[in-house]
Amino acid sequence: SYELTQPPSVSVSPGQTARITCSGDALPKQYAYWYQQKPGQAPILVMYKDRERPSGIPERFSGSSSGTKVTLTISGVQAEDEADYHCHSADSTGTYIVFGGGTKLTVL
Amino acid sequence: QVQLQESGPGLVKPSETLSLTCAVSGSSIIGDYYWGWIRQPPGKGLEWIASTYHSGYTFYNPSLKSRVTTSVDTSKNHFSLKVNSVTAADTAVYYCTRRGDDQRAWFDPWGQGTLVTVSS
Repeated sequence: SYELTQPPSVSVSPGQTARITCSGDALPKQYAYWYQQKPGQAPILVMYKDRERPSGIPERFSGSSSGTKVTLTISGVQAEDEADYHCHSADSTGTYIVFGGGTKLTVL
Repeated sequence: QVQLQESGPGLVKPSETLSLTCAVSGSSIIGDYYWGWIRQPPGKGLEWIASTYHSGYTFYNPSLKSRVTTSVDTSKNHFSLKVNSVTAADTAVYYCTRRGDDQRAWFDPWGQGTLVTVSS
């Protein structure tokens, strides 16, 4: 079965830059999507098609891709950005949808 | 603004069937979208279950396909999930969500989620 790999945790101080990675063999062919989830809440979409930001998401959120890895970057991290971040994509056929294991972002 | 709301029993006995419904408001379910389910066991990551078009065409997570049934009721503008032969491993928060076609393949919006516990 296809898998996406994320680091379990990332920690940064306020104002610094956080980079959360997601790796998968099919990422050169399939777009990745990112969701932010705060405790007790449903996930919300923060990035689509690797690097497109939905309306209402702050400009400090950006996305990039390189080969089998995509990266969600949060510049000038704020305390409110502390959350779990999940990447989502599909296998090479596009029919098997998968999520990464999630990354807990801690703002020190 | 599209809103989704899950409903169903919060407690299901082992070996029985879990049944949930998702009410859609702010949009017709007859549109160019897939309506689907994602779950999250306590303290764990997200797991996609299935996505269904209003025509009934469905694609499933292969690991769950044998136990999962989905349906869409266009007259009530809602869709449903059934998982049979449940075990404790099916205990999770279940979210309903919407996904577009291949060019809009993200999940948005999401329902608030409903916790289903499998226990005798």
